[in-house]
Amino acid sequence: AQSVTQLGSHVSVSEGALVLLRCNYSSSVPPYLFWYVQYPNQGLQLLLKYTTGATLVKGINGFEAEFKKSETSFHLTKPSAHMSDAAEYFCAVSPFSGGYQKVTFGTGTKLQVIP
Amino acid sequence: KAGVTQTPRYLIKTRGQQVTLSCSPISGHRSVSWYQQTPGQGLQFLFEYFSETQRNKGNFPGRFSGRQFSNSRSEMNVSTLELGDSALYLCASRLAGDTDTQYFGPGTRLTVL
Repeated sequence: AQSVTQLGSHVSVSEGALVLLRCNYSSSVPPYLFWYVQYPNQGLQLLLKYTTGATLVKGINGFEAEFKKSETSFHLTKPSAHMSDAAEYFCAVSPFSGGYQKVTFGTGTKLQVIP
Repeated sequence: KAGVTQTPRYLIKTRGQQVTLSCSPISGHRSVSWYQQTPGQGLQFLFEYFSETQRNKGNFPGRFSGRQFSNSRSEMNVSTLELGDSALYLCASRLAGDTDTQYFGPGTRLTVL
């Protein structure tokens, strides 16, 4: 079984401030981890993913996340928020399943960027 | 390459009716997954098709079904619609492998009255 917990359904930051969106996961097998972004009335876009190897993962739009196995966390960060970062962000986990995916999503965090 | 396309984008139905949603994956992608997104339940996995075979299924009743054609296009069907089926239905495609990125379509917004 697997699950994802995103702490904070709404997060507000000032433009130029650090963005930190928290994600903790539970998985009985080694996980694949993902962060997606969703803009209003659109589908999801992959920001970054961790499969194996380097635990610090860099994604698009200046975002990065670090896989910490001991803390079962995969927090998303960005050094300086832009107005265009305002969106909903989803953390997701999928078991290393050797051929197929059953992705479990978190409940999402809406990021507000204040000018 | 064209992205994942879903038709129709918006749909209004009444309780008891059935509905069919369509998804065209990115060219060359063989896997198509479907998700339901609602404010209350969030994003929930419905099923995944690969080479015309369903290889994974979420916890949804049998009223939800799908299929995939030889060209990888997929359809999802919901029979005997209930008010609670109102949601954004998202389709995602990927090449095939476990680590391949899923690319999402814009979704079909289904409203059941």
